[in-house]
Amino acid sequence: QKEVEQDPGPLSVPEGAIVSLNCTYSNSAFQYFMWYRQYSRKGPELLMYTYSSGNKEDGRFTAQVDKSSKYISLFIRDSQPSDSATYLCAMSGYGNNRLAFGKGNQVVVIP
Amino acid sequence: DAGVIQSPRHEVTEMGQEVTLRCKPISGHDYLFWYRQTMMRGLELLIYFNNNVPIDDSGMPEDRFSAKMPNASFSTLKIQPSEPRDSAVYFCASRGATDTQYFGPGTRLTVL
Repeated sequence: QKEVEQDPGPLSVPEGAIVSLNCTYSNSAFQYFMWYRQYSRKGPELLMYTYSSGNKEDGRFTAQVDKSSKYISLFIRDSQPSDSATYLCAMSGYGNNRLAFGKGNQVVVIP
Repeated sequence: DAGVIQSPRHEVTEMGQEVTLRCKPISGHDYLFWYRQTMMRGLELLIYFNNNVPIDDSGMPEDRFSAKMPNASFSTLKIQPSEPRDSAVYFCASRGATDTQYFGPGTRLTVL
């Protein structure tokens, strides 16, 4: 079993819809959870960062962590065509510089 | 700040040739990471440095791969000899005092 599982299936939604992405993980030592956004032919950029269970909101983006279920989610409200990108979850343990990444979800927001 | 700089952006080479990828991290960052991204395996960490010293190279796939960081502003990833299965996008990332890794634009490598 991979440390981080993220269903890589592409997701197409109409503009204004809510996008829901999620990852599961198996390593209970993971303490820090991130979502990266990667535009086509660009490097990943950090979108959200959290280190505790619960919700964290930043504008139209909400990151959710459930450590008991080893499950994290990213929600994008009022999605825009500019949100079309690949979203990768990433996580690491305390004092560990290695990030474990999911494979990424390609999201297409249709105008 | 110009961000993480990688060169070349694209590299096409023939099997058996030596390939050298280059990275300039963000000034002041003391961590540097090399990743490889493929459709099949996603984003994988190959090696990372702290203060120019290799800390963890457990992700380097085999002896054909080597990485160096001769100073705080430059690192190389070398593949010798290259094979078609090395075709991927190679990213360099750097990190400073926070936990945020900043990625470069990547080098798209094609080995024929």
